[in-house]
Amino acid sequence: KQEVTQIPAALSVPEGENLVLNCSFTDSAIYNLQWFRQDPGKGLTSLLLIQSSQREQTSGRLNASLDKSSGRSTLYIAASQPGDSATYLCAVRRFDDMRFGAGTRLTVKP
Amino acid sequence: DTEVTQTPKHLVMGMTNKKSLKCEQHMGHRAMYWYKQKAKKPPELMFVYSYEKLSINESVPSRFSPECPNSSLLNLHLHALQPEDSALYLCASSPPALNYGYTFGSGTRLTVV
Repeated sequence: KQEVTQIPAALSVPEGENLVLNCSFTDSAIYNLQWFRQDPGKGLTSLLLIQSSQREQTSGRLNASLDKSSGRSTLYIAASQPGDSATYLCAVRRFDDMRFGAGTRLTVKP
Repeated sequence: DTEVTQTPKHLVMGMTNKKSLKCEQHMGHRAMYWYKQKAKKPPELMFVYSYEKLSINESVPSRFSPECPNSSLLNLHLHALQPEDSALYLCASSPPALNYGYTFGSGTRLTVV
């Protein structure tokens, strides 16, 4: 069964810092990996989708990389802002089964 | 329309009540999903519908009963729930091709009293 782990569980940084969130998964036979953002009590907002054949995807200040063979992905956030404060979840998909990590709770202090 | 719409946003129900959660999308997605999320935990898969047929049931108790009346609508019927069933219930959809990502709704916050 696929296990997804995210490190760190929580992160607090001052505004303006660049930061990296980590995601690892045990079964490399995936179709894609998706990074989500979740605000407290809200639904999931998709940030980036990386196909299994891709190495990275970029959207604005966000860059996600994927190393499928080693079962790792990173989400890089440049020039963090207080509005980036949220929980970030990675999820891996195989067939119609998407499995989530427990998330990294990010706080960006003004 | 690029959204998954879930109603109601909040629901409080007694343990003897019967209620339903509704999920709707008009993106032509042919797979729809129910997830359950407890506080500070990741979403856990409950059910998957593919082309309006139930394809995955993750050993969910029978007090949760899914229904997919058509390709745009997914319901979750609730009956005789327990307080531990209180959670955020998330609906998602995806296109039929497996290389696409999921689109999630904003969820229904369910409280069982």
